Amino acid sequence: AQSVTQPDIHITVSEGASLELRCNYSYGATPYLFWYVQSPGQGLQLLLKYFSGDTLVQGIKGFEAEFKRSQSSFNLRKPSVHWSDAAEYFCAGNYGGATNKLIFGTGTLLAVQP
Amino acid sequence: DTGVSQDPRHKITKRGQNVTFRCDPISEHNRLYWYRQTLGQGPEFLTYFQNEAQLEKSRLLSDRFSAERPKGSFSTLEIQRTEQGDSAMYLCASSRTQTGLNEQFFGPGTRLTVL
Repeated sequence: AQSVTQPDIHITVSEGASLELRCNYSYGATPYLFWYVQSPGQGLQLLLKYFSGDTLVQGIKGFEAEFKRSQSSFNLRKPSVHWSDAAEYFCAGNYGGATNKLIFGTGTLLAVQP
Repeated sequence: DTGVSQDPRHKITKRGQNVTFRCDPISEHNRLYWYRQTLGQGPEFLTYFQNEAQLEKSRLLSDRFSAERPKGSFSTLEIQRTEQGDSAMYLCASSRTQTGLNEQFFGPGTRLTVL
């Protein structure tokens, strides 16, 4: 079945530390992959996306993600976290078809310690 | 580009009442999606419109749910005879029709609480 998994429900990092959020997609046809961020009371904002080509993708707010086909992963990274990065992060896949609906992971809630 | 808007932002209702939500997509986007997000979960697909045609409905969308997109512009999602299990955030998203470049832009959502 088409699915996206985020193994970490909650992560806490110190401000200035590096960050890696994990995302795995179900094996089979590679979906188009996305990372979204959701702050309290806000909608989902797209951080970055991967369709094909270069496996290291740069996004907004200093985020990047690396697509690894061998591991069915699309992990999100940031070298130095800011307090304003505290939010919930969702990985999503689009497996194509006529609808192009997104299949989301369950999200990772990021807390940033001063 | 004014973004996707949703109204209301919050709705509290009693069980058994009907509620209706509205979504205004980005003006040039002909694809419109509804998702539902419950606490601790990621958004789940409910239904999809291309222009005014509703082309797919999830099994999550029971008979009490109906969605419309008259004239292919704004969309409404109605829930009849609400139940406590309907309490969730209802998200609307829109996109252009571009195969493989289907970036969806999300609205702020409508948070529904059923008492």
